[in-house]
Amino acid sequence: RKEVEQDPGPFNVPEGATVAFNCTYSNSASQSFFWYRQDCRKEPKLLMSVYSSGNEDGRFTAQLNRASQYISLLIRDSKLSDSATYLCVVRGSTLGRLYFGRGTQLTVWP
Amino acid sequence: DVKVTQSSRYLVKRTGEKVFLECVQDMDHENMFWYRQDPGLGLRLIYFSYDVKMKEKGDIPEGYSVSREKKERFSLILESASTNQTSMYLCASRMAGGGQETQYFGPGTRLLVL
Repeated sequence: RKEVEQDPGPFNVPEGATVAFNCTYSNSASQSFFWYRQDCRKEPKLLMSVYSSGNEDGRFTAQLNRASQYISLLIRDSKLSDSATYLCVVRGSTLGRLYFGRGTQLTVWP
Repeated sequence: DVKVTQSSRYLVKRTGEKVFLECVQDMDHENMFWYRQDPGLGLRLIYFSYDVKMKEKGDIPEGYSVSREKKERFSLILESASTNQTSMYLCASRMAGGGQETQYFGPGTRLLVL
C-alpha cells in the first residue's frame, strides 16, 4: 500500500471555479504535511504547509484530518496560472523523509 | 534564496556506461535526496543522505549508488546504465529538523539511455 494516495485527475475547470483535491496517508505516525506544486517540465516547489487547525494562503485553503488520515486542498477563484500538478506530501517518522503522492493534474481553461 | 543545481539538464548515454549525476546546494543543508520521476509513477526516492558520508536507501536503490564526500554535494551513480533507467532525475535538499522545513529541488536531469 502506498504511503500517500491521491486522485490523479485530470481536473479541468473554467476560470473562477472552485476545485478541491484530496489525499489520504497510511502512516498514523506521520508528522508534517504539505502541498507542493509542479509546473510542466519543472521541479516541484512548496505551495503550502498543512497545519492541524487548517490554514489559508490567499485563494488556497489546506485542511488536515488526523483521525481520518486525510488532507485536502481547496482552490477558490481558479486562475489560468493555477494549471499544474499538485503533489500531496507527508513527512514520515523515519529520518524525516518525505513521501509524495503521484500528483493531481489541474487544467484551468479560459 | 536556496539554490540546488544539477550538473546537466539533458544527458544521453549508452547501455552499460557508467553515469554520474551531480547535485550541489548552497544553503548548508544537512539532508540531500535523489528521486526519479516517471509518468504515472510519481516521484520515487532512490537514496538520501542526512549528513556527510552518510547514506540511506530509498524505495528503489537497485542499480544506483551515491556519494556524499562534502556537505554541499551529493552524487548519484549509475554503475552500468540500462534502458529502464531512462527517466527524469531530481535532486533535493533540506535543512535537518523536526518540523515544517521546506525541501528544495534542483531543475532535474532528463537522462536517456540508448
